[in-house]
Amino acid sequence: QKEVEQNSGPLSVPEGAIASLNCTYSDRVSQSFFWYRQYSGKSPELIMSIYSNGDKEDGRFTAQLNKASQYVSLLIRDSQPSDSATYLCAVNHNQGGKLIFGQGTELSVKP
Amino acid sequence: EPEVTQTPSHQVTQMGQEVILRCVPISNHLYFYWYRQILGQKVEFLVSFYNNEISEKSEIFDDQFSVERPDGSNFTLKIRSTKLEDSAMYFCASRLYNEQFFGPGTRLTVL
Repeated sequence: QKEVEQNSGPLSVPEGAIASLNCTYSDRVSQSFFWYRQYSGKSPELIMSIYSNGDKEDGRFTAQLNKASQYVSLLIRDSQPSDSATYLCAVNHNQGGKLIFGQGTELSVKP
Repeated sequence: EPEVTQTPSHQVTQMGQEVILRCVPISNHLYFYWYRQILGQKVEFLVSFYNNEISEKSEIFDDQFSVERPDGSNFTLKIRSTKLEDSAMYFCASRLYNEQFFGPGTRLTVL
């Protein structure tokens, strides 16, 4: 069973729309959840972290966590072509431990 | 803003040769990691390092791999006898609290 699952996409949205990216995880002991953005050929760039149930907003980004459903999502409002990248969901089981990554969802924002 | 740096950006080597990948973590960070990403695949954890010793390693991190912090700033990953399947992007990451920040990566090509 895969530990962290994401739809690989591509997810295509028009400029200005809301992009919704989803991630599920299998291990209930997971404590910390992260969204990284990875442009082609580049390294993962941290954009959001979330540790407790509910929503966390940072600018155009909102992360949502539901531990009962083992589900974490990322909403990107007012999507821009520069948001086109692969979005990686990552979890760790103990604070500061190794990150377990999903396959990533490729997002394409069309002008 | 402080960032993780890695050298070289690209390393080409012959199968069976030793390679050393270098990282300079963010200066006040205490925890260091190596991950790798084979082309088209997910980011995979290799090893974590704290207080001058390995704190966790994955199944990938076999006897061919070693890590070292030779001085107060560098963190290195050595592969003793490279195999074709070691070709990948290798990312160093560091953290102070719970969030891990990644370096730009070293692309290792084994011929």
